[in-house]
Amino acid sequence: AQSVTQLGSHVSVSEGALVLLRCNYSSSVPPYLFWYVQYPNQGLQLLLKYTSAATLVKGINGFEAEFKKSETSFHLTKPSAHMSDAAEYFCAVSLGAGNNRKLIWGLGTSLAVNP
Amino acid sequence: DVKVTQSSRYLVKRTGEKVFLECVQDMDHENMFWYRQDPGLGLRLIYFSYDVKMKEKGDIPEGYSVSREKKERFSLILESASTNQTSMYLCASSLSLAGVLETQYFGPGTRLLVL
Repeated sequence: AQSVTQLGSHVSVSEGALVLLRCNYSSSVPPYLFWYVQYPNQGLQLLLKYTSAATLVKGINGFEAEFKKSETSFHLTKPSAHMSDAAEYFCAVSLGAGNNRKLIWGLGTSLAVNP
Repeated sequence: DVKVTQSSRYLVKRTGEKVFLECVQDMDHENMFWYRQDPGLGLRLIYFSYDVKMKEKGDIPEGYSVSREKKERFSLILESASTNQTSMYLCASSLSLAGVLETQYFGPGTRLLVL
């Protein structure tokens, strides 16, 4: 079955440290890959997406992600964490087309940023 | 900007009540989705709709029904609320590009408590 795995349900970093949130998918090359962020008591909002144009994708708030086909990965990074980055992060893969289109979600990673 | 609105942010209902959750989007998106979000379980798809009057079951449709009479509105119905339906409910909408699901835009969520 197709799946999305986010390694680490909880990640804690210090303010100013590198943020690395991992996402792996089990499929052949997907049409689209997404990272979403959810701040407390809010809905999800798009951070960035890969649509087969460039393997390194830049998103909002200084985040970026690199699509690596050989590793079936789409890890999210940010060079320097801010307190405001504390949130839940979700990776998702859009697979199929037409009547077979579907979105597969990871379980999420909760990011804590320590002062 | 796409706007997805949900009728209530917080809702408290009694066991056995019929509950209606309403979602409206203003960007003429053909696809609409209802998810529930529970700690440790990520987002689970309840129902989705690719067109007016069209609905498809997601991963956990039991105990729920939906209605899409107009393109902009997608309603989730709990026929007889039970305590295990206490959850955060998220509505989303999206376009399809070449039949592939595009970015999903989320509402702020409805936190439902069933007593």
